[in-house]
Formats: sequence, C-alpha cells, structure tokens
Amino acid sequence: DTAVSQTPKYLVTQMGNDKSIKCEQNLGHDTMYWYKQDSKKFLKIMFSYNNKELIINETVPNRFSPKSPDKAHLNLHINSLELGDSAVYFCASTQGKETQYFGPGTRLLVL
Amino acid sequence: QQQVKQSPQSLIVQKGGISIINCAYENTAFDYFPWYQQFPGKGPALLIAIRPDVSEKKEGRFTISFNKSAKQFSLHIMDSQPGDSATYFCAATRGFGNQFYFGTGTSLTVIP
Repeated sequence: DTAVSQTPKYLVTQMGNDKSIKCEQNLGHDTMYWYKQDSKKFLKIMFSYNNKELIINETVPNRFSPKSPDKAHLNLHINSLELGDSAVYFCASTQGKETQYFGPGTRLLVL
Repeated sequence: QQQVKQSPQSLIVQKGGISIINCAYENTAFDYFPWYQQFPGKGPALLIAIRPDVSEKKEGRFTISFNKSAKQFSLHIMDSQPGDSATYFCAATRGFGNQFYFGTGTSLTVIP
C-alpha cells in the first residue's frame, strides 16, 4: 500500500491555466506538507497543515492555495500558472518529529 | 536565510571508497537531524537520522557523525556502491509544526 500518494504524476499545461494536485496519506499522520523542488534539486517548503489547520505558510505567491478537507488529504490549487511554476511538487506527511514520508512527486511543466 | 548549509554540491567517488557529506546549522533548538536519499524520479526517503544526545549513529554502511558544539553533522557512506548514486539531503527540525529545514542537496556519483 502506498503511504503517500499524489495525483497526477505528470501535469503539462499552458500558461494562465488553473490546475490542482491531490495528495493523500494512509499513515494516520497529523501533519502534511507541500514542497517545491526546482531544477537544482532544492527542496523549498510551501505549506504545512496540522489536523487540517494551516501552520506553515512560506513566502509563496497567493496563486497557490492549499486545501485540507481532512487530515489525510492535502490538495494544492494553482491559479494562473506561470512558466516559473514548472517544477516537481512533493507532498509529505509526518507524525510528531518522526520520519517525514514523501510522495512520488508531481512533475509540472508550464508551456 | 539557509538554516542548514550542506556541502559539497556534488561528489564523485570510486566504488569501494568513502563518501562524506557535511552539514552545518545555526539554530541550537534543532533536535532531530535526518538524512534523506533521493533517486531520480522519486521522492526523498529517510536514510538515517540522529538526535543531539549521541555523537554517532551507524546503520550498515551509513554513519552520521554529530558534533553538537560545532553545530555540524555529516554522513559517511562506507564502501560506496554505484547503487548509492543519488542526491542526499540533510535536514533539521524542531518544535510544533515540525518544519523540516533541508540542506541544498549533494549529488553523489559512485563510479564502478
């Protein structure tokens, strides 16, 4: 069973479109995250939710909006996509200070 | 401001050699230091982690050395293998919300 899953795995879209990425974890963890990994492999935290409550909101354009319908799901909606949004987006989850489990990533390409 | 500084950016090691990746941090409130391994096309996965109450932790060929006074920790990969070729990230975390601060990553290539 996949611990942290993301859909879609690949996303190719035109500039200006709106898209969503979904994340689900079946580990029973309380905290979920979104990271952006650029072409240089740098992992940048974007958001974190704990029990559906937003607790980390880094400097991210407000075109990005996370939504957590329940503690097992954390979705990321992106409005008005730009070329610079092209990256790999990772969802992750953790319980307490233990291991952070990452999803397989969503490769977003904005044309 | 980069909370965790990692070096080198890339590393090439011969098969059987020792790979060493270093990280440094400033915030003394950090109390959990994991290392993640990422293969191309995959998400990062926990490799080994240490808490500051010990100076070394070993799991198989992987060892973390931790120097609390210097605020540095390093990953040693003994008998490096081509299958170890990946990107390695150090990280540090503390407190509520468990924000993980990642290093910038080290691309390791082990040459057969």
